[in-house]
Amino acid sequence: GAVVSQHPSWVICKSGTSVKIECRSLDFQATTMFWYRQFPKQSLMLMATSNEGSKATYEQGVEKDKFLINHASLTLSTLTVTSAHPEDSSFYICSANPSTGASNQPQHFGDGTRLSIL
Amino acid sequence: QKEVEQNSGPLSVPEGAIASLNCTYSDRGSQSFFWYRQYSGKSPELIMFIYSNGDKEDGRFTAQLNKASQYVSLLIRDSQPSDSATYLCALKRAGGSYIPTFGRGTSLIVHP
Repeated sequence: GAVVSQHPSWVICKSGTSVKIECRSLDFQATTMFWYRQFPKQSLMLMATSNEGSKATYEQGVEKDKFLINHASLTLSTLTVTSAHPEDSSFYICSANPSTGASNQPQHFGDGTRLSIL
Repeated sequence: QKEVEQNSGPLSVPEGAIASLNCTYSDRGSQSFFWYRQYSGKSPELIMFIYSNGDKEDGRFTAQLNKASQYVSLLIRDSQPSDSATYLCALKRAGGSYIPTFGRGTSLIVHP
């Protein structure tokens, strides 16, 4: 089945640090990947849609200059949280589905990255 | 009205019982429907997907779709404590949009 790998799984760093999270599709190509954020006991919140070779599409209220997304290849998207602060501490999850085939395919999620900013 | 509605729960059922999780949606253009399970502190994992009206069974899980009434449900037979998790309903529109819409999830507790 489709596998999405996310790295790192856990990050603890000081306030002001920039943190990069990688999302890879291991056995399929994905022109589109999605980045979500989830606070404890709350629902998934879509942050942005990452588009291979073009700019990401951000959801309303998400600062594009703070959450930099790069999707330079068909198997890799990165999310960089710039100058992270304690309020950015959250669980970040990426997802993707294969580019080929029917558009109604399910999303496959990475294992998530737990980000803690001190 | 939210696009995807789920009762947040928690839904508590005894071990061995049938757990019934429901989801309603507002967009009649929805084509594909998915159920994900999310354990606390983990990312969602796909359980089932259904595209056509009726029932689809996979082991202890049965997904039911009724497009006319705009609801999709998930039945878990012989519930186990390990089934305790949050269950997310998701859907995709027809017409090539890849962006899925998720419900807020229903918390299920299966007690011994």
